[in-house]
Amino acid sequence: DAGITQSPRHKVTETGTPVTLRCHQTENHRYMYWYRQDPGHGLRLIHYSYGVKDTDKGEVSDGYSVSRSKTEDFLLTLESATSSQTSVYFCAISGRDGETQYFGPGTRLLVL
Amino acid sequence: GQSLEQPSEVTAVEGAIVQINCTYQTSGFYGLSWYQQHDGGAPTFLSYNALDGLEETGRFSSFLSRSDSYGYLLLQELQMKDSASYFCAVLPLSGTYKYIFGTGTRLKVLA
Repeated sequence: DAGITQSPRHKVTETGTPVTLRCHQTENHRYMYWYRQDPGHGLRLIHYSYGVKDTDKGEVSDGYSVSRSKTEDFLLTLESATSSQTSVYFCAISGRDGETQYFGPGTRLLVL
Repeated sequence: GQSLEQPSEVTAVEGAIVQINCTYQTSGFYGLSWYQQHDGGAPTFLSYNALDGLEETGRFSSFLSRSDSYGYLLLQELQMKDSASYFCAVLPLSGTYKYIFGTGTRLKVLA
C-alpha cells in the first residue's frame, strides 16, 4: 500500500470557522490531489499539486485553498467553512507510473 | 467535454460473473483504471489498461477498446465482499495531470 495518511480523520466544526486538512505521503511522489466525495457526485477534484509550491484548481475549488511547502505534505484549507462543505475529503497521490492513483483513508468533515 | 459513463447499479448473486461497463467521451488518454470502494472506505486501485485488450488479476479482469470508446471490469466467482462501488478513471493526454473519474457503479452481491 502507498504510504499516504490524512489528518484529522473526523472533524466537526461550525460555520464560518477555518479548517485545515493535512495529507502526508512517504512515497516522494510529485503529484498530489484533494477530492471531495458526496452522494450522487462521485469524486470531484478540488485542487491538485504538481510539485512543491505548484498547485492548480480543480472543478470545485471555490472556498478552498491549498499549500505545498514540502514534497510530502499537501494542505487543504477551508477559509470559512460552510454547511455545503460537509463531505468526505480524500487525498490521493499518483503512482510511480504516473497513470494510477492511490488514496488516503479520507477525512469526514461535518460543518454545523 | 470529457466524461465517463457507468451504470449506476448492478446486482448479481454469489458465484456469478458480472461485467461493469465504462463508456467514455474523451479525446485521448494514457490508459483506463478501475477502483473499488467499500462503504465508508477509500477508493483502492484494482486494475489498469494501457493498451487495448484484456488484463487479468485473479478474479478480476479489465478490458479496453479505444476504437469503441469502451472498457469494462469483469468480476468472476462473485463473493459477498465484492459488494462495493466501482469507478473507472482516465488521465487525459492534455498535460494537466487531472484525472477524470466515472460516475461509479454500485455492485450488490446477493447470497
